[in-house]
Amino acid sequence: DTEVTQTPKHLVMGMTNKKSLKCEQHMGHRAMYWYKQKAKKPPELMFVYSYEKLSINESVPSRFSPECPNSSLLNLHLHALQPEDSALYLCASSQGPGTTNYGYTFGSGTRLTVV
Amino acid sequence: DAKTTQPNSMESNEEEPVHLPCNHSTISGTDYIHWYRQLPSQGPEYVIHGLTSNVNNRMASLAIAEDRKSSTLILHRATLRDAAVYYCMGDYGGSQGNLIFGKGTKLSVKP
Repeated sequence: DTEVTQTPKHLVMGMTNKKSLKCEQHMGHRAMYWYKQKAKKPPELMFVYSYEKLSINESVPSRFSPECPNSSLLNLHLHALQPEDSALYLCASSQGPGTTNYGYTFGSGTRLTVV
Repeated sequence: DAKTTQPNSMESNEEEPVHLPCNHSTISGTDYIHWYRQLPSQGPEYVIHGLTSNVNNRMASLAIAEDRKSSTLILHRATLRDAAVYYCMGDYGGSQGNLIFGKGTKLSVKP
C-alpha cells in the first residue's frame, strides 16, 4: 500500500458543528502532516507529527485540534470553524526524521466548506 | 525559513522538453531539494528530489547547480497530462523534517 487515504473527500459543516477529518497510511511512515490549501494558493503547513508526537504547530488556531492515535492514523478535529476556514485540507506522510531522505506522499485532500 | 523563487507560469508544446527553474539561494547544506506537482483538485504528487548530484527517475530529471543555489526540473517530453503547478522546495529537515511550499510554476502544455 503506497497511498495516503483521507476521509471524507467533501465536508460541509456549520459554524457550531464538531467534525473530524481522518488520514491513514500503511507505509510504515513515522512522520505525518496536515496542510491547508486555499484556492489558487500553495499548501500551508499546519501540524507535524513525528513518531506520534506533535513536533510542529504553525500557530494554528485552537479550533483545529490534531490527534495521532497511532503511527498509521492522523485526525484533525474541527470545532467552531469560521467560513474563512473553508479550504482543501491535505494530509501527508514521510519516512520521518533521522532516516534517509525520501519523498513525501500526499492524500487527495478533504474539501471543507464552512457555512 | 529558506525560500524558493520560481516563475509564475511557463508554457510548453507537447512532446518538447521543458526546463523548470528554481532559485533556492538560502537553502542549507543538508536540506534536500524536492519537486512536487499538483493537478487541479488533487493532492501534490512527488516528482523527484536530490541533495547535490543530478537525479533521474521515470518522471523527470533534476539538475542541481554546483553551489546548490538553484536547480532545474527537466521533463524530457511534455505531455498534456504534465500540465500542473510545479513546486520546488527544500526539506527543512534537521531533527524534524517538513516541506514548506513556495508559490510554484503553473505549466501549460499546448497540443
